Formats: sequence, structure tokens, C-alpha cells
Amino acid sequence: DAKTTQPNSMESNEEEPVHLPCNHSTISGTDYIHWYRQLPSQGPEYVIHGLTSNVNNRMASLAIAEDRKSSTLILHRATLRDAAVYYCIRAIMIYNQGGKLIFGQGTELSVKP
Amino acid sequence: KAGVTQTPRYLIKTRGQQVTLSCSPISGHRSVSWYQQTPGQGLQFLFEYFSETQRNKGNFPGRFSGRQFSNSRSEMNVSTLELGDSALYLCASSLDGGRNYEQYFGPGTRLTVT
Repeated sequence: DAKTTQPNSMESNEEEPVHLPCNHSTISGTDYIHWYRQLPSQGPEYVIHGLTSNVNNRMASLAIAEDRKSSTLILHRATLRDAAVYYCIRAIMIYNQGGKLIFGQGTELSVKP
Repeated sequence: KAGVTQTPRYLIKTRGQQVTLSCSPISGHRSVSWYQQTPGQGLQFLFEYFSETQRNKGNFPGRFSGRQFSNSRSEMNVSTLELGDSALYLCASSLDGGRNYEQYFGPGTRLTVT
């Protein structure tokens, strides 16, 4: 299963917006795009997910390209607590039931005060 | 609502031994997935259980196995441990396990094989 492609690291200033890009050029029509983040010594934490349309929740926004080959996670105002590794993930369907998450290598986001 | 719990948190074993890890999902969640995280390979899907049945499996050797009980608690077992099995093992629970559901991860079990 092809993984997603993300920059290894990004830097942001506190209280500024952050745009985290992800390439998933081999995505199939039934795969969902999920984003999770992982803080040191913790398990991954769900951020947001979507299929075709842009999505918003209290944590972030997800912008999915029209051809679905890329997406961008948007943190509207970065805080120091947002420093983490952000994973862009393909959630694929298996045999018409259930699914599994295919993690990319992740982007390590650092936030400067 | 209590989160996903995993026991033990840390484990040291020697090559050739076997190990059993435990995961208690969030109450009401019927799907439990297991993942292996290593610095070299990142996070990789091991398998998923739903209503006591293994529904999906990743590309791992048969030494890795698991089961799920009627209360949705899950265990994974690794037999004949190898040095390369040293990793953080994460379990995640979700209501349904489908691709449109968020998964809730536990803190993981850090396994070291010497």
C-alpha cells in the first residue's frame, strides 16, 4: 500500500497559521484522508479526516485538492502545544468492511514563541 | 470516559522468548487495531479485530498474532522474539473500525528485545 509523502519538518511562529502539505497521488476513490498528530511519549491523536470536501473542526481545517492527489492541514493559530509530529494517512477500505490506516513518515512541526 | 489503556507500558525480553501485550478499548468500541512503531519503518498496521474476529491483517510474519475477547479487550502475542521486534506497540479502538471513523490510540507498550 503506497504511503503518503510529507515534508520531514516545518517551523512556525506562535499564533500564526500553519499549512502542512501532503501528497497522496496514488489514492483510490474510496480512501479517506486522515490526519493524526503524535506528541513525545504518547500515542497518535486524531485531528481531522475527509473524503472529497474541505472539512473543519475545532482543531483544524482540511483542504483536499479537487483531484484528491494532495491535501493540506491548516492550523489557524499555532500554539506551543501544537508542536508534534503530524501524520497524513490513507484510510483504506478492505473487502468492503473495516479499514486500516496507512501512515506516512510524518512532518515534525516546531513552533517558536 | 476512560481512554484506551495498554499494559504493560514497558517490557524487556530476550531473543527467542514470547510476549503478550494487552489493550482495553474505550467502552462501547468494538474495533481494536494494533500498530508497530519503529524509527526506521514508522507506524505500520499489524491487524484489526472486530467482534472477536480478525477482520484485517498487515504484512507481518505469523509470529505476530492476536485475539479479542467478548468485552472487546484485545491481546497481541509475538512468539520467538527477534531483535527487530523492538518497537512501540500501539493499539487503537474505534466504534466501527471503518475508514470513516476516528481511532483512539493508547500510550503504547515499549518492547525491548535483547
